[in-house]
Amino acid sequence: EPEVTQTPSHQVTQMGQEVILRCVPISNHLYFYWYRQILGQKVEFLVSFYNNEISEKSEIFDDQFSVERPDGSNFTLKIRSTKLEDSAMYFCASSEAGGLGEQYFGPGTRLTVT
Amino acid sequence: GENVGLHLPTLSVQEGDNSIINCAYSNSASDYFIWYKQESGKGPQFIIDIRSNMDKRQGQRVTVLLNKTVKHLSLQIAATQPGDSAVYFCAESRGSGGSNYKLTFGKGTLLTVNP
Repeated sequence: EPEVTQTPSHQVTQMGQEVILRCVPISNHLYFYWYRQILGQKVEFLVSFYNNEISEKSEIFDDQFSVERPDGSNFTLKIRSTKLEDSAMYFCASSEAGGLGEQYFGPGTRLTVT
Repeated sequence: GENVGLHLPTLSVQEGDNSIINCAYSNSASDYFIWYKQESGKGPQFIIDIRSNMDKRQGQRVTVLLNKTVKHLSLQIAATQPGDSAVYFCAESRGSGGSNYKLTFGKGTLLTVNP
């Protein structure tokens, strides 16, 4: 069964450093998302992406965040200058159809900012 | 902040019993609802969904009920098994015109199944 994959599984970085989280969505999916989950809290939407542009972003997704689809398979989330409060699990998701359709989640990347 | 240290609602059941997990949503414009299961250290896993033009949908061992009047969603799991132990999240979305809309998640319920 096809699945969303994410690398690395765990990333430790120092405050102020740049990190890039990588995702490979399901191959025939066209809609991509990033969510995050701070430990013990609910999953929060960050950004959605379709046709090489951002469709919607939350207030969390400020100028320090960016997304990119550099080739036909990868979807990345970059945080330019990490802060302690960026520590969380970051989940990538993809869906075949936009709007009302199942989003498939990856296993997540645990980002720890020290 | 107000969200620090959120205490998850918990439900503890015996193996073989039926489980009912409840969720209240806030956006009356939401027209698509999903239940996800999240096991420790893993990403959310789709269980079942329902659109706002329905009030009940059944899957394998699971049933979702939607009450739009009171903005309430429930997940029923029949014959609960130890493998069902996880955190269950409801999520809502609204969509039209083919745009990809974000999922807004509830805070989750921890289900523990005792053998």
